[in-house]
Amino acid sequence: DAGITQSPRHKVTETGTPVTLRCHQTENHRYMYWYRQDPGHGLRLIHYSYGVKDTDKGEVSDGYSVSRSKTEDFLLTLESATSSQTSVYFCAISEILSNQPQHFGDGTRLSIL
Amino acid sequence: AQKITQTQPGMFVQEKEAVTLDCTYDTSDPSYGLFWYKQPSSGEMIFLIYQGSYDQQNATEGRYSLNFQKARKSANLVISASQLGDSAMYFCAMSPIQGAQKLVFGQGTRLTINP
Repeated sequence: DAGITQSPRHKVTETGTPVTLRCHQTENHRYMYWYRQDPGHGLRLIHYSYGVKDTDKGEVSDGYSVSRSKTEDFLLTLESATSSQTSVYFCAISEILSNQPQHFGDGTRLSIL
Repeated sequence: AQKITQTQPGMFVQEKEAVTLDCTYDTSDPSYGLFWYKQPSSGEMIFLIYQGSYDQQNATEGRYSLNFQKARKSANLVISASQLGDSAMYFCAMSPIQGAQKLVFGQGTRLTINP
């Protein structure tokens, strides 16, 4: 299995609080991604990174920010969590070659009350 | 923009039968990659198979094959000799060939294998 660790695995918090999810990889892959999964929507890309301090927005980036200060770590921050951000969040990594599959972490279940 | 459509919310198949999961896509990119992932009830995303738009032959991986029809913009997953462990959600996804692998997913198909 690809070395991807997401933390925490579960979190319950209140509306308006800041939340940070962490993704850590041991594969030294260039690209890292954050997705959210909601019923009826499959997975949707929030943000991605193509190198240290290099990030860009995905399809559903509003309300989220990211940072990548080291190759191995990619952080997703909800500055002021809302109930609509209740979801399962997946981190993923990929290599430069386009035909190599993206590997996913085990997900973080986030509930915002 | 890229779009994936999976029109089968759920499918029920008898064990040992073959099953085809449908996937159609839309893109204006001349080159792209197509992926299938499996998500069992435990929640992890498991890569199954990849097809590049430039590949001449349909991809195969063990019991999985991808029926790629470029003119029809379809990339159906075929599972031969289905097993009880194949019961899961299946997602079709696509991404650009160049740069970051920004996957666009379909809504998924829930496959149930009956004994």
